[in-house]
Amino acid sequence: DARVTQTPRHKVTEMGQEVTMRCQPILGHNTVFWYRQTMMQGLELLAYFRNRAPLDDSGMPKDRFSAEMPDATLATLKIQPSEPRDSAVYFCASGLDKKGTHNEQFFGPGTRLTVL
Amino acid sequence: GNSVTQMEGPVTLSEEAFLTINCTYTATGYPSLFWYVQYPGEGLQLLLKATKADDKGSNKGFEATYRKETTSFHLEKGSVQVSDSAVYFCALRAPWTDYQLIWGAGTKLIIKP
Repeated sequence: DARVTQTPRHKVTEMGQEVTMRCQPILGHNTVFWYRQTMMQGLELLAYFRNRAPLDDSGMPKDRFSAEMPDATLATLKIQPSEPRDSAVYFCASGLDKKGTHNEQFFGPGTRLTVL
Repeated sequence: GNSVTQMEGPVTLSEEAFLTINCTYTATGYPSLFWYVQYPGEGLQLLLKATKADDKGSNKGFEATYRKETTSFHLEKGSVQVSDSAVYFCALRAPWTDYQLIWGAGTKLIIKP
């Protein structure tokens, strides 16, 4: 049963610290998305990659956030320095961008980040 | 631009009641339409989809019909269960665009025994 995995599942850190979240997309998928979910803003797209290339990161605060795909099996989202307003659940999703697949996105379980 | 509007929640129903969650959209052409569900503590998962006008998506007793004339994709279920308590998201993918989905704000559904 193929799934998107994310680590860590929970992270508590202090303001100013670096946070790294990791995602393993489903094998064979060629698109990866990073979302942030909060009660106030709902689900926000932060970045998305196709074939490991970043296609859109306009939703991401550039001064502190960065997203990369070092290889096809790993996507990372870093926050440096972290701030209390970054507290949220961060989801990774992957998909197969191919004609006829109807573009379903498969979500991981999320990383719940708390910045004190 | 493209957008999705969902009815505000929470929606609270008793078990076995009939459910409707409204979703309307704005998009040029014929978008693909989706309903995702998020159970407590989990990520979102696809519930059903429809890719052309008049298509009906269905899964787990839920249904939604793609209505081009009213630009709607309302989610329905004839008899809800406590286990259906979750947040439901309507989304669209506009034609000839990138892979991104345009999301609604989500509607929280609470089913009481």
